[in-house]
Amino acid sequence: AQSVAQPEDQVNVAEGNPLTVKCTYSVSGNPYLFWYVQYPNRGLQFLLKYITGDNLVKGSYGFEAEFNKSQTSFHLKKPSALVSDSALYFCAVREDSNYQLIWGAGTKLIIKP
Amino acid sequence: EAQVTQNPRYLITVTGKKLTVTCSQNMNHEYMSWYRQDPGLGLRQIYYSMNVEVTDKGDVPEGYKVSRKEKRNFPLILESPSPNQTSLYFCASSTQRTGGSLGYTFGSGTRLTVV
Repeated sequence: AQSVAQPEDQVNVAEGNPLTVKCTYSVSGNPYLFWYVQYPNRGLQFLLKYITGDNLVKGSYGFEAEFNKSQTSFHLKKPSALVSDSALYFCAVREDSNYQLIWGAGTKLIIKP
Repeated sequence: EAQVTQNPRYLITVTGKKLTVTCSQNMNHEYMSWYRQDPGLGLRQIYYSMNVEVTDKGDVPEGYKVSRKEKRNFPLILESPSPNQTSLYFCASSTQRTGGSLGYTFGSGTRLTVV
């Protein structure tokens, strides 16, 4: 069965420092991986996805994510955090043979000035 | 502006009183879906629709109904709401069930409280 885990409920980072939001997954086949961001009182916004190809995927707002097949991970990263990056981040996964999208529980990212 | 519009944004209702949450998209997307978001549980899919008159159950369909009579609209119906349906609801659409090249577009959410 497919599953996705975001092991940290909350991540605190100082402005200007690099940030990482972790995501690990479990699928039987090849994974399709997604990151979405949710700002307060807003719907989710698509950040980036990995389907195939280069393991480093670049997305919106300066975010990137690295697909690591051996560690079954897809961590979200940004070299220099902004206070405006503070939001709730969701990782999602599906198998290439299964249309069902499974969502992580979300990680609250807090960037302190 | 390309968007998914949900109404209402906030709703407080009483147990058993039928309600409908509307969802409309202006992007000519084939795929639409309803999710509920609860703390610590992420998003759980309620129903989805691949196209007009084609709907199917997601992970948590009990207590909900949907219809897709037009491509742009996908209302969520709670025939007899109960307190355990208190949640934040999101409608989403996409060119494909897989999310297409731009992922899913989400509405701003409907916060429902059933007392």
